[in-house]
Amino acid sequence: DAGVIQSPRHEVTEMGQEVTLRCKPISGHNSLFWYRQTMMRGLELLIYFNNNVPIDDSGMPEDRFSAKMPNASFSTLKIQPSEPRDSAVYFCASSPGTSGTDTQYFGPGTRLTVL
Amino acid sequence: AQSVSQHNHHVILSEAASLELGCNYSYGGTVNLFWYVQYPGQHLQLLLKYFSGDPLVKGIKGFEAEFIKSKFSFNLRKPSVQWSDTAEYFCAVTPRINDMRFGAGTRLTVKP
Repeated sequence: DAGVIQSPRHEVTEMGQEVTLRCKPISGHNSLFWYRQTMMRGLELLIYFNNNVPIDDSGMPEDRFSAKMPNASFSTLKIQPSEPRDSAVYFCASSPGTSGTDTQYFGPGTRLTVL
Repeated sequence: AQSVSQHNHHVILSEAASLELGCNYSYGGTVNLFWYVQYPGQHLQLLLKYFSGDPLVKGIKGFEAEFIKSKFSFNLRKPSVQWSDTAEYFCAVTPRINDMRFGAGTRLTVKP
């Protein structure tokens, strides 16, 4: 398996623009997670899905952030409008089941820079 | 606020030195505990995890961690580090199913 796939790997955009980050989880995995990593705040869970259904989005910082999972093999994280403080590395992860003991498998991340 | 604390931000060791990275958490009840590693330029990978049973957990690449419930700790150890262990190490706790909370990370530099 190719592992968790994220695109793009790098994104540079200007303040106010819409940004869409994409994730393809490992085939057969039932849970998908979006994280943000910054120097100041470390790794933060933004939202996670079980069987394509959003379960907890309490980590989503603002209404400018939204995430969707239209099917088991694809998810998006959208920021509209983007701001410089959104600059971070965004990781997607997936896990086989919905148990807290399952290992999460991380993608390579998308490094977002908002100018 | 409930949290995961990693006390060492940056640790520098020489090869063959022993390693111990601290991790404490403040969540009550049953938790699952993980250590992840992020090698330079790579994504996070699982080193080891604990959810029940023997509190001394062995992971990949010679790493182990000990869960001490009374101390709310899950410290990572390796008896002899190698240059290739240079990476950032993250402790993580799931106080609720699928709600993984990460520590700030500890950067380990191993000098050859």
